[in-house]
Amino acid sequence: ETGVTQSPTHLIKTRGQQVTLRCSSQSGHNTVSWYQQALGQGPQFIFQYYREEENGRGNFPPRFSGLQFPNYSSELNVNALELDDSALYLCASSGSGGANTGELFFGEGSRLTVL
Amino acid sequence: DQQVKQNSPSLSVQEGRISILNCDYTNSMFDYFLWYKKYPAEGPTFLISISSIKDKNEDGRFTVFLNKSAKHLSLHIVPSQPGDSAVYFCAASALYNAGNMLTFGGGTRLMVKP
Repeated sequence: ETGVTQSPTHLIKTRGQQVTLRCSSQSGHNTVSWYQQALGQGPQFIFQYYREEENGRGNFPPRFSGLQFPNYSSELNVNALELDDSALYLCASSGSGGANTGELFFGEGSRLTVL
Repeated sequence: DQQVKQNSPSLSVQEGRISILNCDYTNSMFDYFLWYKKYPAEGPTFLISISSIKDKNEDGRFTVFLNKSAKHLSLHIVPSQPGDSAVYFCAASALYNAGNMLTFGGGTRLMVKP
């Protein structure tokens, strides 16, 4: 069974640029969520995708957008990067089809640094 | 406004003793609570959960207690082992949330000394 994989693991961007982060969900899982973890804080929910549609969104501006593909992999796109976007971005998958069971399987994350 | 709080940023415990990690929440709509463990350079991994209809759930060395009236939960690890040294996150969810949205606390770094 393949776990959740994310790429890239580390990247550096400058203010105003755009970034795309990628995630392959765990085998058999159809739901993907993205979280932002700033240094010294807990993960914060960005949004979730189920059956290629956004299925819930946290308190993040529209410049944070995402996609889910038919194979359930996902992308997180952030436009007009700001310094405060520097964080660890975690992808998590679940097989609950959007049902609220809570347990998520996380990838190792993509660490974004914005200079 | 932090809906889930872990007021102790760190905890140090001797091997073999009990570790108690605490978590408080403010949203009375939360009905499912989870603990995740995170090692450096790894993603969080699920540890144990509890539904609001229970007040205790046990899994081996790990027990989670829920006090709904106090809006407080705790994770007990007995006996603590050096391999338990990690950051522990408390998380909560509610039926009204879309999908699996979890609200996390800020984490507690547990250090178990040999």
